[in-house]
Amino acid sequence: AQTVTQSQPEMSVQEAETVTLSCTYDTSENNYYLFWYKQPPSRQMILVIRQEAYKQQNATENRFSVNFQKAAKSFSLKISDSQLGDTAMYFCAFMFWNSGNTPLVFGKGTRLSVIA
Amino acid sequence: DTAVSQTPKYLVTQMGNDKSIKCEQNLGHDTMYWYKQDSKKFLKIMFSYNNKELIINETVPNRFSPKSPDKAHLNLHINSLELGDSAVYFCASSQGPDREYSDTQYFGPGTRLTVL
Repeated sequence: AQTVTQSQPEMSVQEAETVTLSCTYDTSENNYYLFWYKQPPSRQMILVIRQEAYKQQNATENRFSVNFQKAAKSFSLKISDSQLGDTAMYFCAFMFWNSGNTPLVFGKGTRLSVIA
Repeated sequence: DTAVSQTPKYLVTQMGNDKSIKCEQNLGHDTMYWYKQDSKKFLKIMFSYNNKELIINETVPNRFSPKSPDKAHLNLHINSLELGDSAVYFCASSQGPDREYSDTQYFGPGTRLTVL
């Protein structure tokens, strides 16, 4: 069974600074995807970024980027130029690909507060 | 143009009652899911349907019964509600296999269920 670990329950960052959220996972599979989802106080689950495990290049979406280390099974999220609207719970998630969709396995989340 | 919608958004009910949560997606996706988010914010898969067929049924009490009348709808019926059922329930959907970005799941706004 796959597991996802987020070791930082809470973090804070000053506005305009950079913050990195950690995520490690455990799997024996080779074909999988990794995601970061954001959940603001509105409760909506919003996809931040996705990474295909077979791609070595780290995914980037505007101010969000990942550091994907497949051998170390590490998938951290870097948020640059933090904004107040980035305040949210951030969930790292793993999905095993088996000729079709399988459910997401989530970490316990990191609560990020951006301070003005 | 809501992609994945759920009704109701809030549900308050007494122990022992039976209730349903409805989910609809207008994305043309083949696969739909129900996730439960507990009071500690942990998200876990409950059920997964592909083209109206149940493909994943995690260890969930049989008081929970999903029903998929068509590919665009996946409803969750809960019998004999218990205090421990209080949680946020999320519906999600994704493309079927063999389609571009079929791995990405899109979430509904969630339904906060409170059992008194």
